[in-house]
Amino acid sequence: QVQLVQSGAEVKKPGASVKVSCKASGYTFTSYYMHWVRQAPGQGLEWMGIINPSGGSTTYAQKFQGRVTMTRDTSTSTLYMQLSSLRSEDTAVYYCARDRSVTKGDAFDIWGQGTMVIVSS
Amino acid sequence: QSALTQPASVSGSPGQSITISCTGTRSDVGGYSYVSWYQQHPGKAPKLMIYEVSNRPSGVSNRFSGSKSGNTASLSISGLQAEDEADYYCSSYTRDSTYVFGTGTKVTVL
Repeated sequence: QVQLVQSGAEVKKPGASVKVSCKASGYTFTSYYMHWVRQAPGQGLEWMGIINPSGGSTTYAQKFQGRVTMTRDTSTSTLYMQLSSLRSEDTAVYYCARDRSVTKGDAFDIWGQGTMVIVSS
Repeated sequence: QSALTQPASVSGSPGQSITISCTGTRSDVGGYSYVSWYQQHPGKAPKLMIYEVSNRPSGVSNRFSGSKSGNTASLSISGLQAEDEADYYCSSYTRDSTYVFGTGTKVTVL
Protein backbone atom coordinates (compact mmCIF):
# COMPACT_ATOMS: atom_id res chain seq x y z
CA GLN A 1 0.00 0.00 0.00
CA VAL A 2 1.02 3.60 -0.48
CA GLN A 3 2.73 4.94 2.61
CA LEU A 4 5.17 7.53 3.87
CA VAL A 5 7.30 6.61 6.88
CA GLN A 6 9.15 9.39 8.67
CA SER A 7 12.16 9.37 10.96
CA GLY A 8 11.89 9.54 14.72
CA ALA A 9 11.60 12.42 17.15
CA GLU A 10 14.47 14.87 17.55
CA VAL A 11 15.58 17.19 20.34
CA LYS A 12 17.82 20.04 19.28
CA LYS A 13 19.38 23.09 20.88
CA PRO A 14 18.68 26.60 19.59
CA GLY A 15 20.90 27.44 16.65
CA ALA A 16 21.33 23.84 15.58
CA SER A 17 19.97 22.12 12.46
CA VAL A 18 17.63 19.17 12.08
CA LYS A 19 17.16 16.81 9.14
CA VAL A 20 13.93 14.82 8.90
CA SER A 21 13.49 11.94 6.47
CA CYS A 22 10.41 10.54 4.76
CA LYS A 23 10.58 7.18 2.97
CA ALA A 24 7.95 6.53 0.32
CA SER A 25 6.69 3.14 -0.80
CA GLY A 26 3.87 1.60 -2.80
CA TYR A 27 4.00 3.99 -5.76
CA THR A 28 6.39 5.50 -8.30
CA PHE A 29 8.38 7.92 -6.17
CA THR A 30 9.32 10.29 -9.00
CA SER A 31 5.79 10.72 -10.32
CA TYR A 32 4.29 12.86 -7.56
CA TYR A 33 5.34 16.16 -6.03
CA MET A 34 5.91 16.10 -2.29
CA HIS A 35 5.23 18.70 0.39
CA TRP A 36 6.42 19.43 3.91
CA VAL A 37 3.92 20.79 6.43
CA ARG A 38 4.45 21.56 10.11
CA GLN A 39 2.18 21.98 13.11
CA ALA A 40 3.28 23.66 16.33
CA PRO A 41 1.73 22.33 19.56
CA GLY A 42 -1.93 23.32 19.73
CA GLN A 43 -1.64 25.30 16.50
CA GLY A 44 -2.74 24.94 12.89
CA LEU A 45 -1.07 23.50 9.82
CA GLU A 46 1.66 25.50 8.09
CA TRP A 47 2.92 24.76 4.58
CA MET A 48 6.70 24.84 4.30
CA GLY A 49 7.51 23.91 0.73
CA ILE A 50 7.32 21.49 -2.17
CA ILE A 51 9.83 19.35 -4.05
CA ASN A 52 9.65 17.60 -7.38
CA PRO A 53 11.19 14.18 -6.66
CA SER A 54 11.94 13.72 -10.33
CA GLY A 55 14.18 16.72 -10.97
CA GLY A 56 14.70 17.94 -7.43
CA SER A 57 13.32 21.44 -8.03
CA THR A 58 11.88 23.15 -4.98
CA THR A 59 9.62 26.02 -3.95
CA TYR A 60 9.71 27.21 -0.35
CA ALA A 61 7.32 29.33 1.65
CA GLN A 62 8.80 32.80 1.99
CA LYS A 63 8.87 32.41 5.76
CA PHE A 64 11.40 29.57 5.55
CA GLN A 65 13.55 30.70 2.63
CA GLY A 66 17.20 30.68 3.58
CA ARG A 67 16.63 28.25 6.46
CA VAL A 68 15.04 25.21 4.84
CA THR A 69 16.46 22.76 2.32
CA MET A 70 14.42 19.97 0.77
CA THR A 71 16.19 17.17 -1.05
CA ARG A 72 15.51 13.65 -2.24
CA ASP A 73 17.32 10.39 -2.90
CA THR A 74 15.65 8.59 -5.77
CA SER A 75 17.68 5.43 -5.18
CA THR A 76 15.96 4.93 -1.83
CA SER A 77 12.70 6.82 -2.50
CA THR A 78 13.46 9.07 0.45
CA LEU A 79 12.82 12.75 0.98
CA TYR A 80 14.71 14.98 3.38
CA MET A 81 13.86 18.28 5.01
CA GLN A 82 16.63 20.18 6.76
CA LEU A 83 15.83 23.24 8.87
CA SER A 84 18.72 25.31 10.19
CA SER A 85 19.20 28.04 12.83
CA LEU A 86 16.53 26.43 14.95
CA ARG A 87 14.66 28.48 17.54
CA SER A 88 12.06 27.55 20.10
CA GLU A 89 9.27 28.56 17.72
CA ASP A 90 10.33 25.71 15.42
CA THR A 91 9.14 23.17 17.97
CA ALA A 92 6.48 21.31 16.02
CA VAL A 93 5.40 18.10 14.34
CA TYR A 94 6.75 17.99 10.81
CA TYR A 95 4.83 16.06 8.15
CA CYS A 96 5.68 15.01 4.62
CA ALA A 97 2.68 14.72 2.31
CA ARG A 98 2.20 13.60 -1.27
CA ASP A 99 0.44 15.76 -3.86
CA ARG A 100 -2.42 13.73 -5.33
CA SER A 101 -1.71 14.97 -8.85
CA VAL A 102 1.21 14.26 -11.11
CA THR A 103 1.35 18.01 -11.65
CA LYS A 104 1.54 20.20 -8.57
CA GLY A 105 -1.32 22.42 -7.54
CA ASP A 106 -3.75 19.96 -6.08
CA ALA A 107 -4.20 18.38 -2.66
CA PHE A 108 -2.21 16.36 -0.15
CA ASP A 109 -3.56 12.83 -0.31
CA ILE A 110 -1.04 10.73 1.60
CA TRP A 111 0.61 11.90 4.82
CA GLY A 112 3.51 10.61 6.86
CA GLN A 113 2.97 9.88 10.53
CA GLY A 114 4.77 13.06 11.56
CA THR A 115 8.09 13.75 13.25
CA MET A 116 8.22 15.71 16.49
CA VAL A 117 11.06 18.20 16.66
CA ILE A 118 11.68 19.89 20.00
CA VAL A 119 13.99 22.88 20.20
CA SER A 120 15.13 23.51 23.75
CA SER A 121 18.23 24.61 25.55
CA GLN B 1 0.93 34.76 2.61
CA SER B 2 -1.70 35.06 5.32
CA ALA B 3 -3.63 32.03 6.52
CA LEU B 4 -7.13 31.56 5.16
CA THR B 5 -9.84 32.53 7.64
CA GLN B 6 -12.00 29.85 9.24
CA PRO B 7 -14.34 30.01 12.24
CA ALA B 8 -12.60 28.78 15.36
CA SER B 9 -15.40 26.39 16.25
CA VAL B 10 -18.63 24.95 14.91
CA SER B 11 -20.95 22.60 16.74
CA GLY B 12 -24.03 20.55 16.02
CA SER B 13 -26.13 17.72 17.37
CA PRO B 14 -25.99 14.19 15.93
CA GLY B 15 -27.90 14.02 12.67
CA GLN B 16 -27.73 17.73 12.03
CA SER B 17 -25.85 19.48 9.24
CA ILE B 18 -23.06 22.01 9.68
CA THR B 19 -21.02 24.20 7.34
CA ILE B 20 -17.48 25.48 7.77
CA SER B 21 -16.36 28.52 5.80
CA CYS B 22 -12.87 29.29 4.47
CA THR B 23 -12.25 32.84 3.29
CA GLY B 24 -9.28 33.92 1.25
CA THR B 25 -8.59 36.32 -1.61
CA ARG B 26 -8.52 36.40 -5.37
CA SER B 27 -4.88 35.35 -5.11
CA ASP B 28 -5.76 32.00 -3.60
CA VAL B 29 -9.29 30.63 -3.00
CA GLY B 30 -10.95 32.96 -5.47
CA GLY B 31 -8.42 32.41 -8.21
CA TYR B 32 -8.09 28.65 -8.35
CA SER B 33 -10.12 25.46 -8.16
CA TYR B 34 -7.42 23.85 -6.02
CA VAL B 35 -9.16 24.14 -2.67
CA SER B 36 -9.00 21.11 -0.41
CA TRP B 37 -10.21 20.14 3.06
CA TYR B 38 -8.59 18.01 5.75
CA GLN B 39 -9.86 16.31 8.87
CA GLN B 40 -7.50 15.86 11.81
CA HIS B 41 -8.20 13.89 14.95
CA PRO B 42 -6.05 14.56 18.04
CA GLY B 43 -2.57 13.15 17.71
CA LYS B 44 -3.15 11.97 14.16
CA ALA B 45 -2.01 13.10 10.73
CA PRO B 46 -4.49 15.07 8.64
CA LYS B 47 -6.76 13.18 6.22
CA LEU B 48 -7.85 14.49 2.84
CA MET B 49 -11.65 14.88 2.72
CA ILE B 50 -12.28 17.11 -0.32
CA TYR B 51 -10.05 18.11 -3.25
CA GLU B 52 -10.53 20.54 -6.15
CA VAL B 53 -13.32 22.34 -4.27
CA SER B 54 -15.94 19.60 -4.35
CA ASN B 55 -14.46 16.18 -5.11
CA ARG B 56 -14.36 13.36 -2.56
CA PRO B 57 -11.49 10.87 -2.53
CA SER B 58 -12.42 7.21 -2.60
CA GLY B 59 -13.52 6.05 0.83
CA VAL B 60 -14.70 9.43 2.14
CA SER B 61 -18.34 9.47 3.18
CA ASN B 62 -20.78 11.29 0.90
CA ARG B 63 -21.94 13.16 4.01
CA PHE B 64 -19.01 15.48 3.28
CA SER B 65 -19.36 17.99 0.47
CA GLY B 66 -17.51 21.10 -0.69
CA SER B 67 -18.33 24.22 -2.63
CA LYS B 68 -16.97 27.66 -3.45
CA SER B 69 -18.36 31.09 -4.15
CA GLY B 70 -16.00 33.92 -4.93
CA ASN B 71 -13.23 34.05 -2.34
CA THR B 72 -14.99 31.74 0.12
CA ALA B 73 -15.00 27.96 0.11
CA SER B 74 -17.22 25.83 2.31
CA LEU B 75 -17.24 22.32 3.73
CA SER B 76 -20.59 20.85 4.69
CA ILE B 77 -21.15 17.81 6.86
CA SER B 78 -24.61 16.28 6.85
CA GLY B 79 -25.96 13.68 9.25
CA LEU B 80 -23.38 14.69 11.85
CA GLN B 81 -21.86 11.73 13.72
CA ALA B 82 -19.72 11.47 16.82
CA GLU B 83 -16.75 10.38 14.71
CA ASP B 84 -16.88 13.70 12.82
CA GLU B 85 -15.67 15.52 15.92
CA ALA B 86 -12.23 16.75 14.88
CA ASP B 87 -10.30 19.74 13.59
CA TYR B 88 -10.85 20.72 9.97
CA TYR B 89 -8.51 22.72 7.76
CA CYS B 90 -8.93 24.16 4.30
CA SER B 91 -6.05 24.71 1.92
CA SER B 92 -5.57 26.52 -1.37
CA TYR B 93 -2.99 26.85 -4.09
CA THR B 94 -1.86 30.47 -4.47
CA ARG B 95 -0.76 32.92 -7.11
CA ASP B 96 2.83 32.62 -5.89
CA SER B 97 2.85 28.87 -6.70
CA THR B 98 2.74 28.15 -2.98
CA TYR B 99 0.05 26.77 -0.72
CA VAL B 100 -1.75 28.16 2.28
CA PHE B 101 -3.83 26.53 5.00
CA GLY B 102 -6.79 27.88 6.88
CA THR B 103 -6.71 28.76 10.56
CA GLY B 104 -8.59 25.59 11.43
CA THR B 105 -12.05 24.83 12.83
CA LYS B 106 -12.85 22.61 15.77
CA VAL B 107 -16.06 20.68 15.17
CA THR B 108 -17.91 19.56 18.28
CA VAL B 109 -20.74 17.05 18.23
CA LEU B 110 -23.05 17.96 21.08
